[in-house]
Amino acid sequence: DTGVSQDPRHKITKRGQNVTFRCDPISEHNRLYWYRQTLGQGPEFLTYFQNEAQLEKSRLLSDRFSAERPKGSFSTLEIQRTEQGDSAMYLCASSRLGGQNTGELFFGEGSRLTVL
Amino acid sequence: AQSVTQPDIHITVSEGASLELRCNYSYGATPYLFWYVQSPGQGLQLLLKYFSGDTLVQGIKGFEAEFKRSQSSFNLRKPSVHWSDAAEYFCAVGAPPIPTFGRGTSLIVHP
Repeated sequence: DTGVSQDPRHKITKRGQNVTFRCDPISEHNRLYWYRQTLGQGPEFLTYFQNEAQLEKSRLLSDRFSAERPKGSFSTLEIQRTEQGDSAMYLCASSRLGGQNTGELFFGEGSRLTVL
Repeated sequence: AQSVTQPDIHITVSEGASLELRCNYSYGATPYLFWYVQSPGQGLQLLLKYFSGDTLVQGIKGFEAEFKRSQSSFNLRKPSVHWSDAAEYFCAVGAPPIPTFGRGTSLIVHP
């Protein structure tokens, strides 16, 4: 399977704990995105990387959130001191850069976070 | 700023009936427009996209959409719905790198 993969698929944690999600993009894709999706809403942009560089962050990404893509391949999204409001589906997507990029994103199946 | 409005939260159709899902956008230039589908427990999958050329675009699974600049719309259509089309549908707008998504329309298909 050469699609975008995310791990874990489901995470249940207690308020105040830290959680980390991992995303492995399609191998030839330079751009990697994190979105958040809550019930009844569309995906909301959090941040994106072009290779190793984090080029943009949404105001939704509070200080408790940090994302990395250290070698320009996989990425991690860490949430520190989780709050109940962090409960959501965290979606990772990747895309090509350059002439073949028509804006299409390829999404993983998401990591669902439940904060008790 | 770019934005997308999907005015219908839920749409219910009978299997075999036609379908139209509405999407209106706000964007300062010629938009890139997308429709994605999300089945339960799955990631989003691209159905079709428009960024130039013919304003009627064909996608996968028998879907099509028409870009109407005068109405700022990009409505999704299918002539005959199948039960397997029941899913969440998202319209998105924006040139690379960052598209903005609508809140989605949930399609319910009755036998």
